[in-house]
Amino acid sequence: NAGVTQTPKFRVLKTGQSMTLLCAQDMNHEYMYWYRQDPGMGLRLIHYSVGEGTTAKGEVPDGYNVSRLKKQNFLLGLESAAPSQTSVYFCASSYSGGGSNQPQHFGDGTRLSIL
Amino acid sequence: GNSVTQMEGPVTLSEEAFLTINCTYTATGYPSLFWYVQYPGEGLQLLLKATKADDKGSNKGFEATYRKETTSFHLEKGSVQVSDSAVYFCALSDPTGNQFYFGTGTSLTVIP
Repeated sequence: NAGVTQTPKFRVLKTGQSMTLLCAQDMNHEYMYWYRQDPGMGLRLIHYSVGEGTTAKGEVPDGYNVSRLKKQNFLLGLESAAPSQTSVYFCASSYSGGGSNQPQHFGDGTRLSIL
Repeated sequence: GNSVTQMEGPVTLSEEAFLTINCTYTATGYPSLFWYVQYPGEGLQLLLKATKADDKGSNKGFEATYRKETTSFHLEKGSVQVSDSAVYFCALSDPTGNQFYFGTGTSLTVIP
């Protein structure tokens, strides 16, 4: 069972470069989420999607864009990377949203360093 | 608003010691509550959950009880093992919306 797969696992960028992080899930989940994890701050929600073709802002959306063209994929883009975006990024998916008792399933993370 | 507060770590225990990690929450409505565990270099994995007041979630010897009167969901284990060393996150789901809210995580190290 693949579950939630994130690519790449590691990446080093220079300030101003752009990149896209890919998240793929094979559980037919409607909801998908992108978080960043920083020391002492837990998980912070960047953007999320409640279904194919939809996206919404989370707690810390600035500097990021997302797309959900296919139900199984959720892309996170950095148009012009900044050192403040150095973090570990986690994708998660769930069958339904916060209004249910269904948990989220997480990928293994992408470690991104911006020099 | 919704938020989760959990005890700060790091926590270091000897093998077979008793573990408690405190978690309290604020929420609109009646959320579901979760504990996740994160091993080094991995993503978060669901450890246990409780969906209504007085429910007890349990898994792998860990337990937590949903206490509405004290808005708490403390994680306990009677006898920890070295393999329990990880970071533990308390979380709630917003019953009125689409989001989940996480605590800052508590790092646990168990020494032989």
